[in-house]
Amino acid sequence: DGGITQSPKYLFRKEGQNVTLSCEQNLNHDAMYWYRQDPGQGLRLIYYSQIVNDFQKGDIAEGYSVSREKKESFPLTVTSAQKNPTAFYLCASSMATGGVETQYFGPGTRLLVL
Amino acid sequence: AQSVTQPDIHITVSEGASLELRCNYSYGATPYLFWYVQSPGQGLQLLLKYFSGDTLVQGIKGFEAEFKRSQSSFNLRKPSVHWSDAAEYFCAVGEEGGSYIPTFGRGTSLIVHP
Repeated sequence: DGGITQSPKYLFRKEGQNVTLSCEQNLNHDAMYWYRQDPGQGLRLIYYSQIVNDFQKGDIAEGYSVSREKKESFPLTVTSAQKNPTAFYLCASSMATGGVETQYFGPGTRLLVL
Repeated sequence: AQSVTQPDIHITVSEGASLELRCNYSYGATPYLFWYVQSPGQGLQLLLKYFSGDTLVQGIKGFEAEFKRSQSSFNLRKPSVHWSDAAEYFCAVGEEGGSYIPTFGRGTSLIVHP
């Protein structure tokens, strides 16, 4: 079955630690996205990538980093510079035709701070 | 700037009753409209979308939505709600010729009473 997988489902971060969230898709989509979800705030865009080896900052990129070395993979690193990382993180993908395309979402990763 | 408003934070309905969730947008061009549903701790699932054509759109799980350009609205409806419909619902809007990444509303939480 085609789809988007995220791992782990739950992730715990200690003070000063960098952690990496995994996102993999087998939909052959060009574009991938990372969103942060906090209660009552909807989805906020962290980073997105339209093509391998290229990515752009979203609305709340500070304290986060990404890479796009393969079409299927778009990992997100939450760095120690992100002072309030506790949230639900969603990865999505879509075709990249230059216009608006439907986004498909993974099951999410919940990040908690110890 | 593009914006999406879901005026109702919470909606409570009785099982078997009809449902309408509101979504209003602010755009200058042709909008691309989406409704997603999110169960607790899960990712977002696409319910339906409108790109062009018939303004009444049918989706999965018995949902439908109607695009009304004159009212800048894309309200989601279901004639008879089931207890399993209890979830968070998100409206999203993209703009032809603008950013291809949809903007999400803050969501409406649906509570279903037995």
